Amino acid sequence: SQQGEEDPQALSIQEGENATMNCSYKTSINNLQWYRQNSGRGLVHLILIRSNEREKHSGRLRVTLDTSKKSSSLLITASRAADTASYFCATDAIDYKLSFGAGTTVTVRA
Amino acid sequence: EPEVTQTPSHQVTQMGQEVILRCVPISNHLYFYWYRQILGQKVEFLVSFYNNEISEKSEIFDDQFSVERPDGSNFTLKIRSTKLEDSAMYFCASIDLGDTQYFGPGTRLTVL
Repeated sequence: SQQGEEDPQALSIQEGENATMNCSYKTSINNLQWYRQNSGRGLVHLILIRSNEREKHSGRLRVTLDTSKKSSSLLITASRAADTASYFCATDAIDYKLSFGAGTTVTVRA
Repeated sequence: EPEVTQTPSHQVTQMGQEVILRCVPISNHLYFYWYRQILGQKVEFLVSFYNNEISEKSEIFDDQFSVERPDGSNFTLKIRSTKLEDSAMYFCASIDLGDTQYFGPGTRLTVL
């Protein structure tokens, strides 16, 4: 299985602080994608990083990918209460089907 | 901005009944997927669909499940005889040319 596994499982930070979460996977990938899910809701796509890319930015998000270590990190800078959610990494290979990790639950305290 | 839509948002059914979950993928996308997420667990791949046929399916996707693209826009997941353990959130997704997979808001299926 090439499932992503996130670390930590849960993270609690103060508004304005940065949040960093990590993802590890097992086999070669085409892409790695990060998603956000608010409680009981749908999956919102945040960012896609390809296997030949090392870093990508989107607004307050920064994603890194280290294919030699089979790991990725998601950094959310200057967090807001609205960033409270679960964050998942998902990897794809053949046929682009996604393998998800268990997620990191982020709580941003006002 | 185009988005994947799903109906209904919540479906309650009795065990043994058939359910059909409906999805309208983004119009110019070519690959379609169903995933499910049992409460508190990971999102799991069920099936992928391309060129009007199943491309790949997981071991969860047994004979009780089927998918169909009856017209140019809808993509359906049918569960023939629901079990209690089918209770989950079901997500439809479609993929663009840049490999980004966009998910619908999900259908929460509750089997009683």
